Amino acid sequence: AQKVTQAQTEISVVEKEDVTLDCVYETRDTTYYLFWYKQPPSGELVFLIRRNSFDEQNEISGRYSWNFQKSTSSFNFTITASQVVDSAVYFCALSDSNYQLIWGAGTKLIIKP
Amino acid sequence: ETGVTQTPRHLVMGMTNKKSLKCEQHLGHNAMYWYKQSAKKPLELMFVYSLEERVENNSVPSRFSPECPNSSHLFLHLHTLQPEDSALYLCASSQDRRGGTYEQYFGPGTRLTVT
Repeated sequence: AQKVTQAQTEISVVEKEDVTLDCVYETRDTTYYLFWYKQPPSGELVFLIRRNSFDEQNEISGRYSWNFQKSTSSFNFTITASQVVDSAVYFCALSDSNYQLIWGAGTKLIIKP
Repeated sequence: ETGVTQTPRHLVMGMTNKKSLKCEQHLGHNAMYWYKQSAKKPLELMFVYSLEERVENNSVPSRFSPECPNSSHLFLHLHTLQPEDSALYLCASSQDRRGGTYEQYFGPGTRLTVT
């Protein structure tokens, strides 16, 4: 069965610290896609990244970076030098063979000034 | 307007009321989605429309009735709801129904409270 686990329910750090959000997935598909979304207090989910299963290159976008490791079925997200505006709930998601998204429960990230 | 818009942003309704949620996407996408987000639960996919045809219906109670008159608009008609239906209802769109390969873009949601 397809499954996404975000074991960290809530993380609280002080501004400028680095923080890593964990995502572990389960799938029997050989072709799949992984996503990260951000949900700020306003409620709107914001797309951050999509990664397909054949591309294990790590991605960096400004202060954001993603580490995809098929060997451990993980797709972790790191924020470097965190800022208060990074406070949000972050969701990891996996596409299944029916092209539906399987969502993790989310990690609430609190950045304290 | 850009992106995905939803109205109303907040709605309080009694269990005997009938109301509708509206979603509009300005991205030229062909697929639209309704999700329910309850506290401490993963997002639940309710309905998927592709080119105005309903292609997914994930065992949603009949008190929720979707309508997609064209590829830019999506409605969720509500009637005789229960208090457990109180949640944030999110609309999303993607380039096509293969939402797993194409990223979905979300609206700000409608916070629904059923009294």
